[in-house]
Amino acid sequence: SQQGEEDPQALSIQEGENATMNCSYKTSINNLQWYRQNSGRGLVHLILIRSNEREKHSGRLRVTLDTSKKSSSLLITASRAADTASYFCATNRSPGNQFYFGTGTSLTVIP
Amino acid sequence: DSGVTQTPKHLITATGQRVTLRCSPRSGDLSVYWYQQSLDQGLQFLIQYYNGEERAKGNILERFSAQQFPDLHSELNLSSLELGDSALYFCASSVDPRGAQRPGRANYGYTFGSGTRLTVV
Repeated sequence: SQQGEEDPQALSIQEGENATMNCSYKTSINNLQWYRQNSGRGLVHLILIRSNEREKHSGRLRVTLDTSKKSSSLLITASRAADTASYFCATNRSPGNQFYFGTGTSLTVIP
Repeated sequence: DSGVTQTPKHLITATGQRVTLRCSPRSGDLSVYWYQQSLDQGLQFLIQYYNGEERAKGNILERFSAQQFPDLHSELNLSSLELGDSALYFCASSVDPRGAQRPGRANYGYTFGSGTRLTVV
């Protein structure tokens, strides 16, 4: 990928369990975002965390950022079958506002 | 509906041909970004326009070009198509080059369109 890697590449869990996905990136960033993509569809923005933030919550989502390790994690709590999708992290660095995406984690939540 | 409109949704064409993909950004967004998503390369940033001017270039081939018009819609032109150009092409828009939230706007960052699936045969 142009910027980073998600880990694991694929994750399969039971409904109700928590799902954790990790993202590592290579350069200094301004902020990092997580996106969700249902198969063959467009990407949907989930959450943004700025480089001076360490943790952020949005509903069942929790994102952490460790700039010293150049890594981020996305935790989805109490997963649902509808959470089945691919999840991508994207990093933004100067100049401009272009985001560079990781390779994605494919999450399957089994009912 | 995200507010970003891409047409056509599907396109099938032969090698060597030229196609034009169109994107209308969300109302009020000045920046447009083009991305290519393929199975082997993932999501690749191609090019960014801001208010009609090219802002940044990524892994865009010389056979590809883009522009943003005064009404802020953008077109991505793909020429001398090869089998390997088959992919999903996404357009995204944001408020300004830094993607900063403006008062009254609900979203951060990019808003993506639903993509154009290009198949080169």
